[in-house]
Amino acid sequence: KQEVTQIPAALSVPEGENLVLNCSFTDSAIYNLQWFRQDPGKGLTSLLLIQSSQREQTSGRLNASLDKSSGRSTLYIAASQPGDSATYLCAVKKGAQKLVFGQGTRLTINP
Amino acid sequence: GAGVSQTPSNKVTEKGKYVELRCDPISGHTALYWYRQSLGQGPEFLIYFQGTGAADDSGLPNDRFFAVRPEGSVSTLKIQRTERGDSAVYLCASSLDGGPAEAFFGQGTRLTVV
Repeated sequence: KQEVTQIPAALSVPEGENLVLNCSFTDSAIYNLQWFRQDPGKGLTSLLLIQSSQREQTSGRLNASLDKSSGRSTLYIAASQPGDSATYLCAVKKGAQKLVFGQGTRLTINP
Repeated sequence: GAGVSQTPSNKVTEKGKYVELRCDPISGHTALYWYRQSLGQGPEFLIYFQGTGAADDSGLPNDRFFAVRPEGSVSTLKIQRTERGDSAVYLCASSLDGGPAEAFFGQGTRLTVV
């Protein structure tokens, strides 16, 4: 059974810092890994999708890496801003099946 | 609309009542997923449709929960004899297919059973 863990559960940093969120998964036979952002009371916004054959994806100040063999992914956020405050979720997909989510990291960027 | 649409956005119902939650996926997406999210937790899978058929319903918690997608587009999640423990945010997602395509989520329906 696939299990996804996100560390830390919560993170608070000053504005302008670079930061890394971690995601680990137990079964390395995945199709892809997706990072999402969730604002309070809202749905999930897809940030980055990394296919199993890829090592990383970048979008603006965000960079996500994937190391399938070790069952790890990181989301790097450069030059953090207060608007980046949200919960960040990672999810893995195996085959034509559901996404399995971690518990999320609640990020607070302090002005 | 361009995204996944869920209605209603909020639903308050009394214990024991029947509710229906609707999901309108992105046009052309054949895969549709329902998830349930409790406060402070990640979303948990309920059911996956490929076209009109339920390809995987292993996440439905019990037989009070049922979902349909009769024409391969709009889906309805139905909950009978609601219980207070059913209170959660119900999220719907769609993707182009059931393989490695990106999943897009709706805004969710917040269900409160009183």
